[in-house]
Amino acid sequence: AQKITQTQPGMFVQEKEAVTLDCTYDTSDPSYGLFWYKQPSSGEMIFLIYQGSYDQQNATEGRYSLNFQKARKSANLVISASQLGDSAMYFCAMREVGGFKTIFGAGTRLFVKA
Amino acid sequence: NAGVMQNPRHLVRRRGQEARLRCSPMKGHSHVYWYRQLPEEGLKFMVYLQKENIIDESGMPKERFSAEFPKEGPSILRIQQVVRGDSAAYFCASSAGTANTEAFFGQGTRLTVV
Repeated sequence: AQKITQTQPGMFVQEKEAVTLDCTYDTSDPSYGLFWYKQPSSGEMIFLIYQGSYDQQNATEGRYSLNFQKARKSANLVISASQLGDSAMYFCAMREVGGFKTIFGAGTRLFVKA
Repeated sequence: NAGVMQNPRHLVRRRGQEARLRCSPMKGHSHVYWYRQLPEEGLKFMVYLQKENIIDESGMPKERFSAEFPKEGPSILRIQQVVRGDSAAYFCASSAGTANTEAFFGQGTRLTVV
């Protein structure tokens, strides 16, 4: 069965510094996609970044990058130059290629300090 | 190019009443997914629908919950005889297909049962 584990319930980071949010996953399927979503206090789910299991390079989207280590089954999110507006819940998620269920982790709440 | 639209954003129901949550997918999307988020938890898959068909409802509670996606109009998640434990955020997502395509989320409906 697929599983996503986020071991950091809460994280603090100083404004303008980088922060890494951990995510490990478990799946027996060789083809899958990994996602990160941001959920601010307003509640909506905002897609941040996607990594395919066969992608050769780590995904990047602006200040977001995904540190994908396939052998270790980890897909950590790195946010560079943190901003106050980055304070939110962050969810790691996974879906098998051709599948339809997205499995979410429990989330990490990030607090950015001024 | 409107995104996934959910309404209402907030819904308050008394125990025993019915709750109807609506979701209009993005233009051109024929796949709809419903997820539930309990407080301080990640999203949990409930049901996957294509037009007029339920493809997978393995995450739906066996009783009181139903979903439809008619040929015309939005997808509806219906909860009959609501109980306090149904209080949660309900998210709808839509996609153009299942093959590794990103699912776009709506802003969610926050159901409160009093």
